Amino acid sequence: NAGVTQTPKFQVLKTGQSMTLQCAQDMNHNSMYWYRQDPGMGLRLIYYSASEGTTDKGEVPNGYNVSRLNKREFSLRLESAAPSQTSVYFCASSTRTSGGLTDTQYFGPGTRLTVL
Amino acid sequence: GQSLEQPSEVTAVEGAIVQINCTYQTSGFYGLSWYQQHDGGAPTFLSYNALDGLEETGRFSSFLSRSDSYGYLLLQELQMKDSASYFCAVSGNTPLVFGKGTRLSVIA
Repeated sequence: NAGVTQTPKFQVLKTGQSMTLQCAQDMNHNSMYWYRQDPGMGLRLIYYSASEGTTDKGEVPNGYNVSRLNKREFSLRLESAAPSQTSVYFCASSTRTSGGLTDTQYFGPGTRLTVL
Repeated sequence: GQSLEQPSEVTAVEGAIVQINCTYQTSGFYGLSWYQQHDGGAPTFLSYNALDGLEETGRFSSFLSRSDSYGYLLLQELQMKDSASYFCAVSGNTPLVFGKGTRLSVIA
């Protein structure tokens, strides 16, 4: 079991360039998430997908798009990168059950993105 | 909306006990989670409380009081490897919302 995998691990972009961050999970989870983490800001939700075929905005969606390709894969796209998007990006998947009696998120190793 | 408050930093001595508090405001509360993150690493799940009371897992315990909108993470027999950031997170009608984290430094 690889858990949650992310590619790439590191990336440097110039302002205006585009890129896609890839995420995959092999735990058969319905829910998947993209977060960004900045110093002192904790984890902020960018987008999430409660199930295959659905996506919803989180707290900080501007400048990003997502695709839930299938149950395993959830990608994050930056169409025109800006320095403010320099951050560490984490993908996660969840065991969240109906009614919230259990809710455990499993995180990938992260992508460290720098936008110059 | 949802908001969480936790101390930004805590320092404790190796072998001691430390408690990290978390207060929250949320609508449609389901439960409170705790995650650990070492520098350069990914957050990892520690505990989840949906019901009032204390949950114990080895050296770590987590407590929830729904009526007080309050919880804490208790770490016993502190070890140097426990130096990390600890995040509380609330689960409600929307996905998890994380606090800004508490950086725990364990000193000899």
